Amino acid sequence: GNSVTQMEGPVTLSEEAFLTINCTYTATGYPSLFWYVQYPGEGLQLLLKATKADDKGSNKGFEATYRKETTSFHLEKGSVQVSDSAVYFCALSSPYGNNRLAFGKGNQVVVIP
Amino acid sequence: EPEVTQTPSHQVTQMGQEVILRCVPISNHLYFYWYRQILGQKVEFLVSFYNNEISEKSEIFDDQFSVERPDGSNFTLKIRSTKLEDSAMYFCASSPNSGGIIEQYFGPGTRLTVT
Repeated sequence: GNSVTQMEGPVTLSEEAFLTINCTYTATGYPSLFWYVQYPGEGLQLLLKATKADDKGSNKGFEATYRKETTSFHLEKGSVQVSDSAVYFCALSSPYGNNRLAFGKGNQVVVIP
Repeated sequence: EPEVTQTPSHQVTQMGQEVILRCVPISNHLYFYWYRQILGQKVEFLVSFYNNEISEKSEIFDDQFSVERPDGSNFTLKIRSTKLEDSAMYFCASSPNSGGIIEQYFGPGTRLTVT
């Protein structure tokens, strides 16, 4: 079945540092890929998405490229801010009609001033 | 901006009791979902709902679970007889349709604690 794997553990870094969160997936066919973000006390919000191989999703300085050859969708940001502190979830949806999302475990990102 | 709301934010219940988790989806949306996240684990799909019936459910969604859209605005998840392992964060989501790549809009979640 479809599944998403995110790197283990929280990520703590200083303001203006470079952020990478790894995400790999297993799926049949060509799924759509998403990054969701959850700020404290809020729901999951779509951060960016990509629907086919080599697509790059981008939003708020974050980027992720759909890599079919490595089945990956790593999230990157060149210079993080304290306001980027949140939990980040990688997810995919099947191309076969149903709309269920399969999520990774999420990564807590803490940005220190 | 319209948003999905959920109540309560935290529910504590005793094992064996029934609980109802409530969600108000975005008003013009047609598809509704429940997901849950057990502490330290992945967000898992439970069920999707369209046109007043379940369109898909996962293996987690057994006979103890039911969903309902009782009044055209609320979307509820009922757990008939809670177990300790039902303790989790439950997220409601809605989307305007399911064709193509459609964003699901999530609520803030209800934390259910079964004691």
